[in-house]
Amino acid sequence: AQSVTQPDIHITVSEGASLELRCNYSYGATPYLFWYVQSPGQGLQLLLKYFSGDTLVQGIKGFEAEFKRSQSSFNLRKPSVHWSDAAEYFCAVVSNTDKLIFGTGTRLQVFP
Amino acid sequence: GAVVSQHPSWVICKSGTSVKIECRSLDFQATTMFWYRQFPKQSLMLMATSNEGSKATYEQGVEKDKFLINHASLTLSTLTVTSAHPEDSSFYICSAPGAGGYTFGSGTRLTVV
Repeated sequence: AQSVTQPDIHITVSEGASLELRCNYSYGATPYLFWYVQSPGQGLQLLLKYFSGDTLVQGIKGFEAEFKRSQSSFNLRKPSVHWSDAAEYFCAVVSNTDKLIFGTGTRLQVFP
Repeated sequence: GAVVSQHPSWVICKSGTSVKIECRSLDFQATTMFWYRQFPKQSLMLMATSNEGSKATYEQGVEKDKFLINHASLTLSTLTVTSAHPEDSSFYICSAPGAGGYTFGSGTRLTVV
């Protein structure tokens, strides 16, 4: 069955530092992958998605992610984190029945 | 772009009562709607998939008689939590697939007292 693993439950970074959030997926074919961000008590906002083509995907708010088939990974990166980036981040993969399967999430804290 | 309007944003109800949550696709037709549940500080767990004009399909472990899903039109899907209990308190969110991906509602915070 398709699944998504986010190994880091909680990450803390200083404002201005670089960020990488890890995501590993399990899927037999070429996956459709997403990264979402959720602020407390809020809905989900799409950061970026990968369907095919260029493996380096640019998203909103300065985020990017790289699809690496050999590592079954789709890690999210940002070169310089802002305090407003503090939130919960979810990686997701589309299953073979078109359902969106979420990882457990990574909570990002940003210190000034 | 595609928008899914979810109401109410939050609701408090007494134990034993029922609560209905609506998700409307505003500028597109949603033949399918996914319903998720999220406990505090946890991930989104898929509860069920509703399809316009047919019965919803429920994920393993989800009580279909407790969580009634109706998808009567191409723009409206509803989730009714029947005989709610405090353990049903959670964040419920809907999502409709589309050409560009998935559009999420803004979520409903349900508190059962």
